[in-house]
Amino acid sequence: NAGVTQTPKFQVLKTGQSMTLQCAQDMNHNSMYWYRQDPGMGLRLIYYSASEGTTDKGEVPNGYNVSRLNKREFSLRLESAAPSQTSVYFCASTLTDFTGELFFGEGSRLTVL
Amino acid sequence: GDSVTQMEGPVTLSEEAFLTINCTYTATGYPSLFWYVQYPGEGLQLLLKATKADDKGSNKGFEATYRKETTSFHLEKGSVQVSDSAVYFCALLFGGFKTIFGAGTRLFVKA
Repeated sequence: NAGVTQTPKFQVLKTGQSMTLQCAQDMNHNSMYWYRQDPGMGLRLIYYSASEGTTDKGEVPNGYNVSRLNKREFSLRLESAAPSQTSVYFCASTLTDFTGELFFGEGSRLTVL
Repeated sequence: GDSVTQMEGPVTLSEEAFLTINCTYTATGYPSLFWYVQYPGEGLQLLLKATKADDKGSNKGFEATYRKETTSFHLEKGSVQVSDSAVYFCALLFGGFKTIFGAGTRLFVKA
C-alpha cells in the first residue's frame, strides 16, 4: 500500500543547479499539492493541482514550477536553486477539494549550498 | 486572510501527564479544522478533524472541540505516552483547495 511516494528523499545541490522532485500517488486522488516545511514556519503551500490538467500558485511559488503529468503524478522543478530553497518538501494528495484530509509523502530533504 | 496560531514548543511532559496544545484560528467563514501529527522522519498524518461548530474530533485518546465563539480548536489528551512524542500541527480548510497550517508544536514525553 504505497500511498504517496516522493523521490529523491535527499538531495544536495549547488547554487544555480536545477532539479525535479517527483511525486506519485496510487489512491486515485484528484488534487495534489507541494508544501515546504521550514523550522518555526509550519508548512507553506508552493503549488497545487486541483485536478488533472490544472495547476495554481500557492503561498510561496517563486523559484518553482510544477507539472501535473497525469492523474497520478505531480512534479516540482527548481530551475536555478538558491540557498533559500533549502528545506524539506512534502507532496500531498486528497480525493476531493472539500474532504480536507491530506495524505502526505515522507518528504524530500533538499540542501542548496 | 485566514491563519492559524498555535502554542510554541517544545512541550515536555512526563508519561501519564495531561496534554493541552492551544490552537486559535482566523477565518472569514466556517472552516473545517484539523490536527495532524508528524512522527520523526515521516510525513504528516491526520490525527482528528471537526467540520462544524461544537463538533468534537477524537482519535487515539486525543480530543479537540470546535469552538466557534472563541475561534479555538485545542488538542487534549488525558494521559500521554512516550510514543506520543511528535510534532503536532493545527490546520484549517475553508472554501477551496488550500489547507493552512500552524507552525507546529513539538511534544517530548519522558518515561
